[in-house]
Amino acid sequence: SAVISQKPSRDICQRGTSLTIQCQVDSQVTMMFWYRQQPGQSLTLIATANQGSEATYESGFVIDKFPISRPNLTFSTLTVSNMSPEDSSIYLCSVGMGNTIYFGEGSWLTVV
Amino acid sequence: KNQVEQSPQSLIILEGKNCTLQCNYTVSPFSNLRWYKQDTGRGPVSLTIMTFSENTKSNGRYTATLDADTKQSSLHITASQLSDSASYICVVSANNAGNMLTFGGGTRLMVKP
Repeated sequence: SAVISQKPSRDICQRGTSLTIQCQVDSQVTMMFWYRQQPGQSLTLIATANQGSEATYESGFVIDKFPISRPNLTFSTLTVSNMSPEDSSIYLCSVGMGNTIYFGEGSWLTVV
Repeated sequence: KNQVEQSPQSLIILEGKNCTLQCNYTVSPFSNLRWYKQDTGRGPVSLTIMTFSENTKSNGRYTATLDADTKQSSLHITASQLSDSASYICVVSANNAGNMLTFGGGTRLMVKP
C-alpha cells in the first residue's frame, strides 16, 4: 500500500496569488498524478507528473497555470498560479502501485 | 467517448438498512472497475477493484458486482451505518497505470439514524 501526505490540507487564498501543494509518498512510485475536484463534481485529471521530465498535461490544463515538479520518485508539487475563484477546488495527488490507485487526502483551496 | 454513469445521484436510507448503487460504463478498452468511498473534503479511499473476469468482490459490508457483458456494476452496502454517509465513486480504468481512469459522478449516500 501507499501512504500519501499532502500539504496544505486546506487554505484560503487571495485572487491573483499562487499556491504550491506538496505531495509526499512513503515509497517510490513511477506514476504520480494530480487531480482537481470542483465542488459537487467528480475528479478531473490535470496532469501526470513525470520524474526527471516535464509533466504531461490533459486537455484544458496548461503548464503556465499549473506548473508541476517531480524531483524524485517520492515527491511532487503542483502550483496553482494566478488564482481566481474558479480555481476553488480540492486538489488531489494520486499514485499507482500494482493494480491499486491511491489518493491523498486532498488540498481544499478556497479563492476569495 | 468513454463515460461512466452512476445512479442514483443521491440516496437517503435509515441506519441498518441495505442499499445498492449502480454504475454503467462505456469504456474501451476495459482493464478494471473500482469503487471508491469519499468522505466530504477527503480523498477517495479504495473499496474494491474488479477485473474483466471477476463477477463479485466483497470488502466487509461492501459487495461489488460486475457484469462485463452488459457493462454494469453495482455496489451493495449491507446493514448500513452512519459512517457510511459519503460519496461513492465508480471508476473504470483502461489500463493499470492510473492515467486512463474515467470517473463516474458519484452517488451521495446519507445514512440517517
